[in-house]
Parts: sequence; structure tokens; C-alpha cells
Amino acid sequence: GQNIDQPTEMTATEGAIVQINCTYQTSGFNGLFWYQQHAGEAPTFLSYNVLDGLEEKGRFSSFLSRSKGYSYLLLKELQMKDSASYLCAVGEGSNQAGTALIFGKGTTLSVSS
Amino acid sequence: IAGITQAPTSQILAAGRRMTLRCTQDMRHNAMYWYRQDLGLGLRLIHYSNTAGTTGKGEVPDGYSVSRANTDDFPLTLASAVPSQTSVYFCASSRSGRADEQFFGPGTRLTVL
Repeated sequence: GQNIDQPTEMTATEGAIVQINCTYQTSGFNGLFWYQQHAGEAPTFLSYNVLDGLEEKGRFSSFLSRSKGYSYLLLKELQMKDSASYLCAVGEGSNQAGTALIFGKGTTLSVSS
Repeated sequence: IAGITQAPTSQILAAGRRMTLRCTQDMRHNAMYWYRQDLGLGLRLIHYSNTAGTTGKGEVPDGYSVSRANTDDFPLTLASAVPSQTSVYFCASSRSGRADEQFFGPGTRLTVL
């Protein structure tokens, strides 16, 4: 089976740094994704990690440790517009069968001034 | 059309009625997906299609059916709606069924009374 855990809620202030953790247990691991979802909107892609290590993309970075079943999303220089839900998703499945995304329940981040 | 569209935007439906949610993409993506999103449960995969002519079951397929007659369209049908199918439904697509970024449509908010 699969299990993905991430904190339900986090709060931070403008200009700060926040780290959102995600732990997972799954079979047929095929990468880890982070999505951002503003209230009432569709999820949008932020990052993808398939190998261990840190991937940096502007103010956002994502880290993966496959041996530990662990990832985090790091948001730097927080802005009010970063208030959103952040969804951790694990790609699961064989190359032949395709990859299903199994989503965690999401972390709601509130950024205050 | 730019990207992925869904129709209707929202719908109120009497229990027992049949309903088809429409999804169309113009990105020539091979893979398409249907998710439902419920408060506290996150995004859950209903059905997917890795390529035109093929479909597969996701995590919560019961009560739903899909077809993939061509690359662009992936309708989701509720044969006889029940109140537990009240949810926000997101269609998504990706270039392939492998570990690719998924692009999400704007969603359909469905209420079954």
C-alpha cells in the first residue's frame, strides 16, 4: 500500500523561510512531486525529484532521500501570495503500466505580514 | 482552447441521475486522469488513461466510468449519482503516462442531493 504524511497546517511570516516535510511509504517509486494549490483553484506543478538530493528553482527548492522515504519543500523569502496548500505526491507504478500520482492530504501554509 | 478545460464549472444533481463531466485538452498529451478532491482527504485518483483507447482504474473507481475515444477528450460518467459523490473533480493530463508533470483543469464542483 501507500502512505504519504505531511503536516496539516503551517504558519510563517513574510520574508521568512519555511520547510514543509513529506514522508512516504510506497511500492514502485517513480519520483516525488510537489504541487501548489491556491484556494478554489487547480493544483500547479512546482517540482519533481527522482534522484536523491536538492533541486533548486528560484525561491523554491525540493529535497529527496529515497532511502528514508523523505522529501521536503523549502520556500525562501516568503511572500503573501505563497499562502496556499502544498501537495506532496509520489509517482507509483511500473514504466509499462504508467505512473499514478498518489497525493498526500496537503499542507496549508498561511503567510502573515 | 489553451491547455485543459472542464465542463460544467459546477452542477447540482439529484441522486440517481446520470451525469457526464467533460474534459478536453489541446496539448496532445497522451495521458489523462480524473481526480476527486474532498476536504481532509486530498486528491484521489478515480480513473486514468495512458493513451487513447486504454483506461485504467485508480484508487476510487466505484460508481464512475470513463472512455478515451481520442487523444483530446476524457469524459467521466456517473451512472447513478449518490450524495457521497459530492466533490470537486479535477481532470489532468501529462505528456506520457510516465513520471511527467501533470497539468490540471480548473475543476468541476459537483453537488449530489
